[in-house]
Amino acid sequence: AQSVTQLGSHVSVSEGALVLLRCNYSSSVPPYLFWYVQYPNQGLQLLLKYTTGATLVKGINGFEAEFKKSETSFHLTKPSAHMSDAAEYFCAVSGGGTSYGKLTFGQGTILTVHP
Amino acid sequence: DAGITQSPRYKITETGRQVTLMCHQTWSHSYMFWYRQDLGHGLRLIYYSAAADITDKGEVPDGYVVSRSKTENFPLTLESATRSQTSVYFCASSVTVNYGYTFGSGTRLTVV
Repeated sequence: AQSVTQLGSHVSVSEGALVLLRCNYSSSVPPYLFWYVQYPNQGLQLLLKYTTGATLVKGINGFEAEFKKSETSFHLTKPSAHMSDAAEYFCAVSGGGTSYGKLTFGQGTILTVHP
Repeated sequence: DAGITQSPRYKITETGRQVTLMCHQTWSHSYMFWYRQDLGHGLRLIYYSAAADITDKGEVPDGYVVSRSKTENFPLTLESATRSQTSVYFCASSVTVNYGYTFGSGTRLTVV
């Protein structure tokens, strides 16, 4: 079985501050890991993904995430927050076996950016 | 236009009625999925399909039926709607798992 835990349902930062959204996963096989962003009344948009290879992955809008196998983590960061980053962010994992091809999502973290 | 389209965007129905949510994708992606999004639960998988005529249950399939006679369409039917099925429903497609999913804009369903 695979699962995702996002630490913190709400994160608030000031514009220009570091953004750090935490994600820990559980998977019985080497996972594929994803971060998605959802703006109000919209579908989810892929920010970045880790499949194999380099453990630091860069995505759209200046976001990046690092896969740390020893910590079973895939935290999302952005050096300097912008007002337009305010949204809900979802971490997701896809593993093997009966879970192959299916994404399991975390419960989401709402990011608020203050002026 | 290319993409993944869900219809309707909003739907209000009465308890006990049958309702079908439509999903259409233009990429010929093999994989298609239905998720529901509820406050406090994130997204939960209802059904998925690996190809035409191949479907399987996800985490919360009870009360739902799917079919996939054509690669591009994956309708979701609520056989007898209940208030607990009030939710936002998202359809997604994928060419293969390591590409991630592309999501539709969602259908907000209210059962009264």
